Amino acid sequence: GAVVSQHPSRVICKSGTSVKIECRSLDFQATTMFWYRQFPKQSLMLMATSNEGSKATYEQGVEKDKFLINHASLTLSTLTVTSAHPEDSSFYICSARVRTGGWATEAFFGQGTRLTVV
Amino acid sequence: RKEVEQDPGPFNVPEGATVAFNCTYSNSASQSFFWYRQDCRKEPKLLMSVYSSGNEDGRFTAQLNRASQYISLLIRDSKLSDSATYLCVVLGSQGNLIFGKGTKLSVKP
Repeated sequence: GAVVSQHPSRVICKSGTSVKIECRSLDFQATTMFWYRQFPKQSLMLMATSNEGSKATYEQGVEKDKFLINHASLTLSTLTVTSAHPEDSSFYICSARVRTGGWATEAFFGQGTRLTVV
Repeated sequence: RKEVEQDPGPFNVPEGATVAFNCTYSNSASQSFFWYRQDCRKEPKLLMSVYSSGNEDGRFTAQLNRASQYISLLIRDSKLSDSATYLCVVLGSQGNLIFGKGTKLSVKP
């Protein structure tokens, strides 16, 4: 199946610093990438939808100036957590939908990034 | 009301048991439904799509009741390797996935 490569898988950073997370589609072109976040014992929640060549669409309650999304090419989308704080500690994961035949599509996920802000 | 609601669990069952998970969704216009499994600290992996007619994949059977906006997953003859969190998922209008909180399953020897 399609592969989405996400890194880093784990990062620990100091409060106030910025962290960049990358998602690459390895064998397909992803015009749209979805970014999710999962707090402990909570469901995966959509943060934003990243579209190649245009501005990302953010979900209500997600600060666009804090979570910068760049989707400059069809194979790379990045999420930068700026001025990270301990409450940003979470599991961040990207996903792209790939057409698998006819109108059918399937979501493929990156491996996820566990961010800990200390 | 949450968009996707699941049994909170956890479910602790012996090997060989049959276990059923339930899920309800709030948007009657939803068209596509899935069950994913998520192992601890890992990305979710598609277990199966859910169709109106019900579908089976080996030991796993998924059912959809559109009138009740209800989805179920049945696991027969559970194995130790089935231990995971099972996520009920609905496809959103923008192509995003809307996840339930998940139900944790622990299969014991």
